[in-house]
Amino acid sequence: DAKTTQPPSMDCAEGRAANLPCNHSTISGNEYVYWYRQIHSQGPQYIIHGLKNNETNEMASLIITEDRKSSTLILPHATLRDTAVYYCIASGKNFGNEKLTFGTGTRLTIIP
Amino acid sequence: DSGVTQTPKHLITATGQRVTLRCSPRSGDLSVYWYQQSLDQGLQFLIQYYNGEERAKGNILERFSAQQFPDLHSELNLSSLELGDSALYFCASSVRALAPGYNEQFFGPGTRLTVL
Repeated sequence: DAKTTQPPSMDCAEGRAANLPCNHSTISGNEYVYWYRQIHSQGPQYIIHGLKNNETNEMASLIITEDRKSSTLILPHATLRDTAVYYCIASGKNFGNEKLTFGTGTRLTIIP
Repeated sequence: DSGVTQTPKHLITATGQRVTLRCSPRSGDLSVYWYQQSLDQGLQFLIQYYNGEERAKGNILERFSAQQFPDLHSELNLSSLELGDSALYFCASSVRALAPGYNEQFFGPGTRLTVL
C-alpha cells in the first residue's frame, strides 16, 4: 500500500465545507484511495473511495488530482457530528488482499 | 449500528492469562477482519478470514490466533497476555463485492482489553 500523508489536525466552522487533504505521491496505477473516519473510540466508518475520477455520495465528495498524487475529501456542510479522525488510505484492492492500512489520520474538529 | 457485534465490550484480565474475543459479522458477509488499536501503534490490521479460511495476515503476534467458524462468526484468542496487549480490538466484515475497488468494511463497536 502506498504511504499517505495527512495533516494531524484541522478545525472547521459548523455549516462550512471541510476540506481534508491527503498526499499519496507514490500511489500506483491500480491503487484506490479510500476514506474512513473514526468518531471517538467507535469502529471506523467507510466514507468514500475513488480511483481517478471525482466521486460523490451522500456523505462526501472526493477530488483526486489528475496525476493522482493527492486527493481532497470534502464534507460540504460540516456538523458537530462530523468531529472525528479521518483516515486516507491508498490500497490495491484484490480479492484476498482487502486489508486496510490506517495511518495517523487527521483529527477534524467542527467548531460551533 | 453497523450490524457487526462484538463481545465482550470490556475485558479486564491479568498478565499471563488467555482471553477470547468474539465477533459476529453482518448477515451474509463472508469476510471477517481483526484490527488492534493501541495508543502507540494506532489501528493495525491483524488477520482476515474469508468463508472459514485464513486469507491475509498482518502484524499478528504468535501468541494470538483466530478462526472463523462455519456459521461465519469469528474468535480472536490472545494468550500469555502482556501489559502491551491492552488495546481496543475491532472486528470488521465485508461482502465480496463485484464493483471495482469497492472495499467497504463494517466495523463492530470493539472490545476494550485491559491487561493489569
